[in-house]
Amino acid sequence: AQSVAQPEDQVNVAEGNPLTVKCTYSVSGNPYLFWYVQYPNRGLQFLLKYITGDNLVKGSYGFEAEFNKSQTSFHLKKPSALVSDSALYFCAVRDRFSGGYQKVTFGTGTKLQVIP
Amino acid sequence: DADVTQTPRNRITKTGKRIMLECSQTKGHDRMYWYRQDPGLGLRLIYYSFDVKDINKGEISDGYSVSRQAQAKFSLSLESAIPNQTALYFCATSVAGGVDGYTFGSGTRLTVV
Repeated sequence: AQSVAQPEDQVNVAEGNPLTVKCTYSVSGNPYLFWYVQYPNRGLQFLLKYITGDNLVKGSYGFEAEFNKSQTSFHLKKPSALVSDSALYFCAVRDRFSGGYQKVTFGTGTKLQVIP
Repeated sequence: DADVTQTPRNRITKTGKRIMLECSQTKGHDRMYWYRQDPGLGLRLIYYSFDVKDINKGEISDGYSVSRQAQAKFSLSLESAIPNQTALYFCATSVAGGVDGYTFGSGTRLTVV
């Protein structure tokens, strides 16, 4: 069974500082990995994905994520945090070759608080 | 207009009542999903549909039913609502395979009293 772990319920970072939101995963094969962001009273918005190729993936709003196969991690990063980045962030994983319906498993979410 | 529209946005209903949550999309995606979000539990899949004639149970389908009325419409029903169905419900769509990620609606906050 596949799974996603987001070990931190909340991450606090000062505005202008780099931020990291952690994600580790478990799948039987090779993964597709995703990050989503949820602002208050809104649905989840797609940020970025890793399918194949370069381990450093760039996405929306200046975010990037690094795929590390040996550590089964896909941490979300941003060089300089903005107050407007404060939101709930979800990591998600899908097995690349599960056949039929490729189930997507979401993590439990990490609340990012950027302090002015 | 939003790509994925959910109605209503908020709903309070009584235990035992039947309620329907509606979802419509303009993305042209074949695949549609209903998820439930609870604090600390993330998103859990209730039902999914690959096309109008295809309905599949997710991990927590008990107490729920769905109808895919058209490619663009996918509704979720609670036949007899109970308080532990109080949650935030999301509809989502994707292309086949989902490799481009999902497009989510803004959600329906349902409270069962």
